[in-house]
Order: sequence, then structure tokens, then C-alpha cells
Amino acid sequence: SAVISQKPSRDICQRGTSLTIQCQVDSQVTMMFWYRQQPGQSLTLIATANQGSEATYESGFVIDKFPISRPNLTFSTLTVSNLSPEDSSIYLCSVDLPTSYEQYFGPGTRLTVT
Amino acid sequence: QKEVEQNSGPLSVPEGAIASLNCTYSDRGSQSFFWYRQYSGKSPELIMSIYSNGDKEDGRFTAQLNKASQYVSLLIRDSQPSDSATYLCAVYTGGFKTIFGAGTRLFVKA
Repeated sequence: SAVISQKPSRDICQRGTSLTIQCQVDSQVTMMFWYRQQPGQSLTLIATANQGSEATYESGFVIDKFPISRPNLTFSTLTVSNLSPEDSSIYLCSVDLPTSYEQYFGPGTRLTVT
Repeated sequence: QKEVEQNSGPLSVPEGAIASLNCTYSDRGSQSFFWYRQYSGKSPELIMSIYSNGDKEDGRFTAQLNKASQYVSLLIRDSQPSDSATYLCAVYTGGFKTIFGAGTRLFVKA
């Protein structure tokens, strides 16, 4: 398994600003994943971050709105830019075990946009 | 489009009963299947993975896989109030992508 931490755990942001979420893993991993989970909904994959290359974004998510950094094998950041109330959600990072594809999640960041 | 379908529930069972959670998936080529438990306000945690047809048991949990029917289930024996949570079925479809179902809410009544 893997132990994942995220910062901040929650934040309240003004419309039009940005929030950067940090994700730290206790071991080196190839792929890191960023998900969004809106209230009462399941997980929606935003993008996959591979160290040393550009993140791969899912349909409906664009780099200008959700820029991702992956500077090394244990760390990634997701920025949610130009915030609107529709961005209020829980953002989760995860990693998977390459041989089993089991995913392990960080505790999440609860974002509220006012 | 690849999909994972679950009954949203809520599924309500009395304490001590067997809870049965079901999931179907659309991608016939999928090889890896998972059940996650998510308590309210918490992130999902992996409880079972299954890769071959048949049953896999881990304590009070049994995962069942039928690839011909594209069907995965999770049985929870001797259900406890602490099992009350949302259970997410997930299917690895290749290309570093896992599709999650919408989840089934389970309530175990004391």
C-alpha cells in the first residue's frame, strides 16, 4: 500500500482566485491521479500525472483550468484556477500499485468557492 | 464509452445479516476489479480486489466475479453498523485508467 498526504485539507476561496493542492506519497510511484468528487457523486478523473511528462487530461478538463505539476516521483500539485462556485468539490489524489492497479487515496481537499 | 453500473441504494440490512452489493461493467476486456468503501466525509479505501472468476474471501468480505456475465459482487457477512458506508465498484480498463461506479449506500441497522 501507500500513505498519501494532501494539503490543505480544506479551504474557502473567493471567486476568481486559484487554489493549489499538494499531494505527497511515502514511496516513489510512476503515476499519480487527480480526481474530483462532487457531493453525493462518484469519482471523476481529472488527469493522470506521470513524472517527467505532461499530465494527461480527461475529456472536459483542460490544462489552463487545472494545471498539474509532477516534479518528482513522490510529489504532485493540482491548481484549480479562476475559481467559480461550480468548482466547489472534494479533490483527491491517488496512486496505484503498478502490478495490481489497486489505487490508494489521499484524505482529500474540500474546496468551497464563495 | 466504458461504464460501471451500481444500484445507488440505499440498501438497508439488519445487524448480523448478509449485505449483497452488485456491479456490472461494460468493457469485456477488463481484468482487474475492486471494491472501495467510503465513509461520509472520508476518502475511498480499498477493501477487496479480484482478478479471476469465482469467489475471493477476506474475513467477513467475499468478492465474486463472473467475467462472462460482466458482473462483480461484494458480500458482507455478519453486517455491523460500522459497515454503513458507500461502496464503490471499480474496474481497471487499461491505459492507467480505472472507472468507478456511482456507489451503493449501505445502512446496517442495529
